[in-house]
Amino acid sequence: RKEVEQDPGPFNVPEGATVAFNCTYSNSASQSFFWYRQDCRKEPKLLMSVYSSGNEDGRFTAQLNRASQYISLLIRDSKLSDSATYLCVVNQDTGRRALTFGSGTRLQVQP
Amino acid sequence: GAGVSQSPSNKVTEKGKDVELRCDPISGHTALYWYRQRLGQGLEFLIYFQGNSAPDKSGLPSDRFSAERTGESVSTLTIQRTQQEDSAVYLCASSLGGAIGTQYFGPGTRLLVL
Repeated sequence: RKEVEQDPGPFNVPEGATVAFNCTYSNSASQSFFWYRQDCRKEPKLLMSVYSSGNEDGRFTAQLNRASQYISLLIRDSKLSDSATYLCVVNQDTGRRALTFGSGTRLQVQP
Repeated sequence: GAGVSQSPSNKVTEKGKDVELRCDPISGHTALYWYRQRLGQGLEFLIYFQGNSAPDKSGLPSDRFSAERTGESVSTLTIQRTQQEDSAVYLCASSLGGAIGTQYFGPGTRLLVL
């Protein structure tokens, strides 16, 4: 089983749609959770951290379910500029401070 | 301010040759990471430097891979006797020591081994 698993997509949605991505992680001792965004042939950039109580940043909402080892990202009112690959990222608390990245979910927002 | 920079941006080499990739982190960032991303794949952790501590090399795939960092500045990743499976984008990231999540990535070096 992969340490961090995501549906690769692609998710093709019209502008204005609401879309949700899910991610599961294998290590129950994981401490920190994030969503990164990666545009085509670009480097990843932090989109938002994921907190236990859930958190929102504008059109983006992140949720964490520790019991199920599950993370989600909800994007409301999709924009063309949201088209990218969304990476679920976990710090597995193995004593190192590097992050474990999922393979990403590709989103294509269409006009 | 300046972000993380990497050089070269692209590198084409022949199988068996050695390559050296460079990363300049954001000034003041004590932590530096190298990752590898194969086409269509997620990022694989390679190595992590934090200040003057011994680096975490647990992600290096073989002894052909090595990395150095001078103090809290430039890092070089060296791949000896390159193989075709080494073809990938090599990404460097840096962060302030206490901010695990806020890793700032460089644009990467695209390595193609023929």
